[in-house]
Amino acid sequence: IAGITQAPTSQILAAGRRMTLRCTQDMRHNAMYWYRQDLGLGLRLIHYSNTAGTTGKGEVPDGYSVSRANTDDFPLTLASAVPSQTSVYFCASSDSNPPSGSGNEQFFGPGTRLTVL
Amino acid sequence: GQNIDQPTEMTATEGAIVQINCTYQTSGFNGLFWYQQHAGEAPTFLSYNVLDGLEEKGRFSSFLSRSKGYSYLLLKELQMKDSASYLCAVMDSNYQLIWGAGTKLIIKP
Repeated sequence: IAGITQAPTSQILAAGRRMTLRCTQDMRHNAMYWYRQDLGLGLRLIHYSNTAGTTGKGEVPDGYSVSRANTDDFPLTLASAVPSQTSVYFCASSDSNPPSGSGNEQFFGPGTRLTVL
Repeated sequence: GQNIDQPTEMTATEGAIVQINCTYQTSGFNGLFWYQQHAGEAPTFLSYNVLDGLEEKGRFSSFLSRSKGYSYLLLKELQMKDSASYLCAVMDSNYQLIWGAGTKLIIKP
């Protein structure tokens, strides 16, 4: 693995079903993030984790949950999917949050395209 | 509220120069980022500004004026591969990134 991987690449899901999007990074980054990207809107933060064992809510957390059992993995779960959760989901990571130095850019996974019918 | 504004779409000619503007109003400021995103792909980091002035990196430069809440990304010697969306993002007082909707740049031969 090099960088961040996400699975699945795409998924079509029936409304009401439970779904977990997987995210794994091998850069030993402390901070990880989940965003959704919708046409005409900027990336919106769903949940984040500044370090293993801790999580926090972003701008649009409702209907989503996360866990951070270890440094590498940060799964996102939709407990009961609804059509408004149709989106492209990006996982990202950064060395630390708050930043320990200058920059501290976020690195993104390839994304999961989710359609809820 | 927090707001990042950038043009929805711009068109430029191969070999030319283009400037993409970004204005912001956020609760606190801990730096401004520019990312490039090709269609169907993930955003990739281009530049970071935290102090006023110009940062140059090859064909790309980024400028920041904190007093004006303004930044621009300057792309020189445009190539067809520069056709992409360019995302402006500001790190707020909680160290979270607030993202603009992105500017789709179309390069014509």
